[in-house]
Amino acid sequence: EVQLVQSGAEVKKPGESLKISCKGSGYSFTSYWIGWVRQMPGKGLEWMGIIYPGDSDNRYSPSFQGQVTISADKSISTAYLQWSSLKASDTAMYYCARISSSWYDHAFDIWGQGTMVTVSS
Amino acid sequence: DIQMTQSPSSLSTSVGDRVTITCRASQDIGNFLAWYQQKPGKVPKLLIYAASTLQSGVPSRFSGSGSGTEFTLTIFSLQPEDVATYYCQKYNSVPQTFGQGTQVDIK
Repeated sequence: EVQLVQSGAEVKKPGESLKISCKGSGYSFTSYWIGWVRQMPGKGLEWMGIIYPGDSDNRYSPSFQGQVTISADKSISTAYLQWSSLKASDTAMYYCARISSSWYDHAFDIWGQGTMVTVSS
Repeated sequence: DIQMTQSPSSLSTSVGDRVTITCRASQDIGNFLAWYQQKPGKVPKLLIYAASTLQSGVPSRFSGSGSGTEFTLTIFSLQPEDVATYYCQKYNSVPQTFGQGTQVDIK
């Protein structure tokens, strides 16, 4: 079964760092782009960026460039989203999702279950 | 960046009715358009890609059309399990922006 399994919910304080993960299985992890999508409480979906685990080529939304880092470790079929200094406004559900091709101009066909990140003092 | 605008932002209609949601792109995106369904508290699910191709397993009452800058998602005969928020997404280039969503409820 093709699936993406994300790490568990996190509660952090402002200024702390965080790295959440997304592990792929059931397919060739290095051959498909993985993206990250933010959903703030009660709001819509926001495209953050994507990475190609085969060579770690990545692309960011201008809204998130410099605010987060997307990376991948192909040896363990895992993609990451990390923050160096969290803000309260980073409180959201974060989804990883697979693009249905080795070319990024395709839709997200497989989604992780989501990781809830809460940032509060 | 290309903006994606959905309308309406919400609608409430009866079981069995036809529902039409529109998504407009600020520039020509060809047919690089997907529709997703997100039920309350659940993970988004791909319904349609390439503007009109139904993802495997999606009921045939869902249909997508359009190209260029104007696209439509139609639900023929709305069912109670279709209560959800629907999002369009353009993916021809990055950023692969989502529309703001359309919430569909049963009257």
